[in-house]
Amino acid sequence: AQSVTQLGSHVSVSEGALVLLRCNYSSSVPPYLFWYVQYPNQGLQLLLKYTSAATLVKGINGFEAEFKKSETSFHLTKPSAHMSDAAEYFCAVITGNTDKLIFGTGTRLQVFP
Amino acid sequence: ETGVTQTPRHLVMGMTNKKSLKCEQHLGHNAMYWYKQSAKKPLELMFVYNFKEQTENNSVPSRFSPECPNSSHLFLHLHTLQPEDSALYLCASRRDRGTQETQYFGPGTRLLVL
Repeated sequence: AQSVTQLGSHVSVSEGALVLLRCNYSSSVPPYLFWYVQYPNQGLQLLLKYTSAATLVKGINGFEAEFKKSETSFHLTKPSAHMSDAAEYFCAVITGNTDKLIFGTGTRLQVFP
Repeated sequence: ETGVTQTPRHLVMGMTNKKSLKCEQHLGHNAMYWYKQSAKKPLELMFVYNFKEQTENNSVPSRFSPECPNSSHLFLHLHTLQPEDSALYLCASRRDRGTQETQYFGPGTRLLVL
């Protein structure tokens, strides 16, 4: 069965600093991986997804993630944090012919001026 | 701008009430989902509908009753809920069941059961 682990339920960075949100997955078959963002009082919005086309995936708002099979990781990064990036971020995995998108527990990103 | 809308956005109900949550998608998708999001827990998949047919019931208590009259609308009927059912209920849709397809989420209904 597949699963996702997000290390760190809270991450704080200064405005302009590098953002790194960690995600490790467990899957016995090639996974499809997603990062979603949830702003306060809103639903989830897709940031980016990995579907085996390229290991480095670029998403919206300057975010990107790199799929590393050897490390079973799909960490989310952004070179320079902005105040508007403060939100909760969810990593998710899906494999096979299934409807079950498995989510991690989320990481809340705080950005300080 | 989301193509998935949910009403109401907020709902307070007593344990003896009956209420319904509504979800509508304007994306022409064929699959629709209900999720429950509780504090400090991963999103929990509740129900999946594909072409109006229920394809997944993730061991949800019978006090939650879904209805999908067509591919654009999804309801969640609630009755005799418990305080622990208080959560954010998210609806999502996807074009098909293919694994690469993105799920698009609505803004959610925040439910408080007193």
